This record gives sequence, C-alpha cells and structure tokens, in this order.
Amino acid sequence: ELKVEQNPLFLSMQEGKNYTIYCNYSTTSDRLYWYRQDPGKSLESLFVLLSNGAVKQEGRLMASLDTKARLSTLHITAAVHDLSATYFCAGDNYQLIWGAGTKLIIKP
Amino acid sequence: DVKVTQSSRYLVKRTGEKVFLECVQDMDHENMFWYRQDPGLGLRLIYFSYDVKMKEKGDIPEGYSVSREKKERFSLILESASTNQTSMYLCASSLLPTPTDYGYTFGSGTRLTVV
Repeated sequence: ELKVEQNPLFLSMQEGKNYTIYCNYSTTSDRLYWYRQDPGKSLESLFVLLSNGAVKQEGRLMASLDTKARLSTLHITAAVHDLSATYFCAGDNYQLIWGAGTKLIIKP
Repeated sequence: DVKVTQSSRYLVKRTGEKVFLECVQDMDHENMFWYRQDPGLGLRLIYFSYDVKMKEKGDIPEGYSVSREKKERFSLILESASTNQTSMYLCASSLLPTPTDYGYTFGSGTRLTVV
C-alpha cells in the first residue's frame, strides 16, 4: 500500500530565503505530483514528475524526483510572499495518494 | 482550457436535509472523484468513478452516495445531512489509464455548512 509523507507540515520563513519541502513515499510510484492550494481555494497542479531524475522548474519553484530513494523535493528559491500556500505531493497507485500538505507562510 | 465545474461555491443546509453536490467536467475524462477536506486531516477520498454507472468507495463513504449517469457528471449525495459533514468538498477528474501524465484536475470546491 502506497503511503506518502510530507515534511515539514508547517513552515514559516522570511522572504528571500531558500527552503525545501520533502515528500517520501513507501512503495513504487510511477509518477509524483505537486499541487498548490491557496486558502479557501481548490488545488492547482504545479508539477508532474514522470521518471527517475526528473526535474521541473517554474519561477522560484523546482521539483525533483528520485525513485530509488522514493523521495521528491520541492525547492523554493528566494521566497516571496506570493508563494504562501499549502503544497501537496501525491504518488500514483491506480489513484492519487496524497501527502498531508505543507502549509508555507512567507513573511515580508 | 479544461474545466471541472462544481455547481455551488457555498452551501448552507439544515440537519436532515438531502443534499446534492454536482460536478461537471468537459474533458471527456473517465475518472471522477469526490474528496472532502478538513483542517488537519488533508484530502480524504469519499467515492470515485471510473466509468458511467460505476462507482467505488473511497476511504470515508459512510453517509454519502454518488451517481454517475453521464460521463461528464458526477454527483455526491448526502442522504441526511449532519453537522459533521460540514466541510470543503472537492471534485476532481482524470484520464485513464493510470498512472496519468497529467494528474487530476480539480473543481473550485464547495464549502458546505450544515446547521
């Protein structure tokens, strides 16, 4: 049974700093997904990582996948307030299995 | 642009009422899902459907039922609403087969309050 664990669950950081959110999963997952959710809103797809070693970048966010370590990371570079949101990762095992989410607060 | 549309953003219902939450997608997706989201509990799958008239229970189906009479529409039904069903409800859809290269597309959510 696939289980997905994110850490940290809560992160408060200053603008301009770098940080990484980690997503570990317990068994084989052919894909790894990252989503963003703003308060009171729905989930928006950020990245889909399709294979080992995959790296995708959009602005200040970069996601990577290491299938051997069963680990995906979401790296934030020089954080800005607009990136404040909850970030979810999900593995794929017939249906998406979700992490608990990381609530990210970026202080000006 | 692909879309998943949930009929209501906010809904207030009384205890014991029968409640229908509607979800429509225009992407010809086979899979459709209903989740509820509560603070500290993440996303919990209620039901999903992989074809018309097909349904599968998720992690928390108790107190809910679903209907999928047409491919594009997936309805969540609360037979007799209770206050513990106050939550944010999210509908999603995806292509088959899984795993999918695109993940799920979510609707905007329905915040249901049962009083």
